[in-house]
Amino acid sequence: EIVLTQSPGTLSLSPGQRATLSCRASQSVSNSYLAWYQQKPGQAPRLLIYGASSRVTGIPDRFSGSESGTDFTLTISRLEPEDFAVYYCHQYGSSPLTFGGGTKVEIK
Amino acid sequence: QVQLQGSGPGLVTPSQTLSLTCTVSGGSISSGGYYWGWIRQHPGKGLEWIGYISYSGNTYYNPSLESRITMAVDTSENQFSLTLTSVTAADTAVYFCARASRGADIWGQGTLVTVSS
Repeated sequence: EIVLTQSPGTLSLSPGQRATLSCRASQSVSNSYLAWYQQKPGQAPRLLIYGASSRVTGIPDRFSGSESGTDFTLTISRLEPEDFAVYYCHQYGSSPLTFGGGTKVEIK
Repeated sequence: QVQLQGSGPGLVTPSQTLSLTCTVSGGSISSGGYYWGWIRQHPGKGLEWIGYISYSGNTYYNPSLESRITMAVDTSENQFSLTLTSVTAADTAVYFCARASRGADIWGQGTLVTVSS
């Protein structure tokens, strides 16, 4: 099973700042099948990024994903008020599919 | 556009069977290219993949739950379902149905299922 470790657990930032979220996989993620989701309280997760770096249609370009070996990063270039939420990484290349524990981006 | 609507009982007695259904609207479950499945979230916790099923009935289950779960597709009703047997309090969670291809791109609203006597 691929374990995904997200850091930090909580990121306290102000609107307009840059957010950098990390997701480290315990082993190689097949075909870069790594996705990022945003979840707000009481809502279902929303897919932002798939294939480590491909943005879903309709997702603002301030969201970007990158990959370096088993390290994956979600970057939000300039935080908007609606971006404060919990973010999860997810690998869908190997069974069982797994999720990271999440990073909460909160308003400082 | 495609929407998913999950349904099922909000309360299940310990040792009994949990049954949930997800209805797909705005598109056909048989259109191909997608998996249909379930992901749960324990209260205040992260996400756990339960399993996926293709429109043709091929299933992929989380090994940690495999002995207790069954998924099925009803193409005539444009629905898919989850059955989880021998539930315990540890199965209390919000259960999301989802469509997946490159990640889970469409989600239902989530159904809170509480296991309690």
